[in-house]
Amino acid sequence: GQQVMQIPQYQHVQEGEDFTTYCNSSTTLSNIQWYKQRPGGHPVFLIQLVKSGEVKKQKRLTFQFGEAKKNSSLHITATQTTDVGTYFCAGPSGSSNTGKLIFGQGTTLQVKP
Amino acid sequence: AAGVIQSPRHLIKEKRETATLKCYPIPRHDTVYWYQQGPGQDPQFLISFYEKMQSDKGSIPDRFSAQQFSDYHSELNMSSLELGDSALYFCASTVGNTDTQYFGPGTRLTVL
Repeated sequence: GQQVMQIPQYQHVQEGEDFTTYCNSSTTLSNIQWYKQRPGGHPVFLIQLVKSGEVKKQKRLTFQFGEAKKNSSLHITATQTTDVGTYFCAGPSGSSNTGKLIFGQGTTLQVKP
Repeated sequence: AAGVIQSPRHLIKEKRETATLKCYPIPRHDTVYWYQQGPGQDPQFLISFYEKMQSDKGSIPDRFSAQQFSDYHSELNMSSLELGDSALYFCASTVGNTDTQYFGPGTRLTVL
């Protein structure tokens, strides 16, 4: 079945360092979404990418959608302690049109002050 | 802005008991999704409803059932609870199939 893989699983960085998480789907996606989940919290929607090769920025966060619409990345510049959490990519299931999401395994970011 | 409401936030049950989880979507959202998230895992899709009808079904055990009511709130009923059912259960809502899902705070179910 459709799979969404995400690496790395964990990343520890010093505050001020950059961070990148990569997402790869086994199938072409109509769009890809990114969520952030703080420890003990719930997934919070960050962004949706739709177009091939799309790049979107939110302050220190840069999101990219691959040309083949099968991979994506999230890059955080100059991490801060407030960036701590697990970042999930998710894509709509290709086998249905009901909007259900297939999530990657997530990348948990720890930031050392 | 109004968010998705879930109740209860925490629930402790014994094995073989039943549990009912409730989800109140964002006003004017007509689609509800249920996800189960185990410790250190990503959310796994269980079931969804659109306009009060089941629209999709994932890896939901037969012991679980769910429905969406006329006011669009949804309930997930879980019977014959097992230890492995201990998890966070999230409800997410959206309008139609617009893909952007807004998650509720979740219900943490612990089965002893």
